[in-house]
Order: sequence, then structure tokens, then C-alpha cells
Amino acid sequence: EDQVTQSPEALRLQEGESSSLNCSYTVSGLRGLFWYRQDPGKGPEFLFTLYSAGEEKEKERLKATLTKKESFLHITAPKPEDSATYLCAVQPRDYKLSFGAGTTVTVRA
Amino acid sequence: EPEVTQTPSHQVTQMGQEVILRCVPISNHLYFYWYRQILGQKVEFLVSFYNNEISEKSEIFDDQFSVERPDGSNFTLKIRSTKLEDSAMYFCASSSSGNNEQFFGPGTRLTVL
Repeated sequence: EDQVTQSPEALRLQEGESSSLNCSYTVSGLRGLFWYRQDPGKGPEFLFTLYSAGEEKEKERLKATLTKKESFLHITAPKPEDSATYLCAVQPRDYKLSFGAGTTVTVRA
Repeated sequence: EPEVTQTPSHQVTQMGQEVILRCVPISNHLYFYWYRQILGQKVEFLVSFYNNEISEKSEIFDDQFSVERPDGSNFTLKIRSTKLEDSAMYFCASSSSGNNEQFFGPGTRLTVL
């Protein structure tokens, strides 16, 4: 069975304090790994897709990387508006996404 | 920017009643999905739909659930006889292909009393 584990569960940062979120996964085969942002009471908002080990994607203060067993989401110099829950999801084959429990990031001004 | 829309935003129903949740996927997308998220828990896959048929479903998606694309724009999830444990946020998503990013709607909060 597909397993996705995200750590830490919660992360409190000072504005400007860079950090990384981890997503480790166990799947029979990986078609893609996806990062989403979710604000309270809202739907997941797509951030990145990674398809192969070594791949990196960047968007503003966020950078996602992928290895054969895990992915990292690096947040550089975060701002309060980066506060959200960040979700990792794996797709072992077409269609279904299997989500992790998420990391809730709080950035204090 | 194209987006997935869902109605209603909040639905309250009595146990045993039927509910229909509605979604309008992004217009040029061909793959449609339903997920749910019980408060404080992971987002869970329910079903995927392509070419007017179910392509994959989870164990959660039992005989009480059904999906339909009644016209060229809407995608619906029906729960025939709701249970207390069906209370959750239900998200619709769509994608342009089976292994591309899925774009999610804002969700329908279903409360079963």
C-alpha cells in the first residue's frame, strides 16, 4: 500500500527564517509527486509536480526537490502570507493521488 | 484563470437523506475526481472519472455513492443514504490527463445530523 509521511507535523518560523519540509514515500512505482498548499477551509492549491529523482522546481520563495525516497519543500525567507498547510501527494499510476497528513507552517512577523 | 467551482459551499442534511454535490471542472479538462477530507484528517481519494465512466475508485466509494456527468459542464457526486460518518469536506478536482496535476475546487462542507 502507498505510504506518504510528512514531517514535521507543525513548523513555527520567524519571518525570514528559512526551513525545509520533508515528504517521504513508499510506492510500488512513482508517476509523479505533487505539492499543494491548503489554507483553512479551502481546497488544495497546486504548487509543483516532480516526476523524476534529481528534479527541482521553484516558485517565488518555494523550491521543491525529489529523490527516490523523499521530497523536500524548501521555504526561503518566508513571509506571514506563506502560513498554510503544505500537502505532499504521490501518484503511483494514473488518476489517484495519495496524500500525506501535511505540515502546518506558521510564519510570525 | 480557469478554476474548478463547487456548489453548494455548505450542505446540511439529516441521516438517511440523499445529497447531490455539484462541480464544474475546468472546461478543457477530461479527467474528473472526487476526494474527501474529514476534519483534521488526510485528503482521501474517492473516485476518478474519464470518458463517461469510472476509471478508479477507493474502498470508501461503496454502493451508496455514485457519480455522473449529466451534461458537458457538470460533474456530480450523489450519496444515496447519508450517514453521520459522511460528514466531511468534499473536493472536486480535474486534470488535462491522467498523470498531470489535478486542480481542486473550494469544496462542499457536508454536515450529516
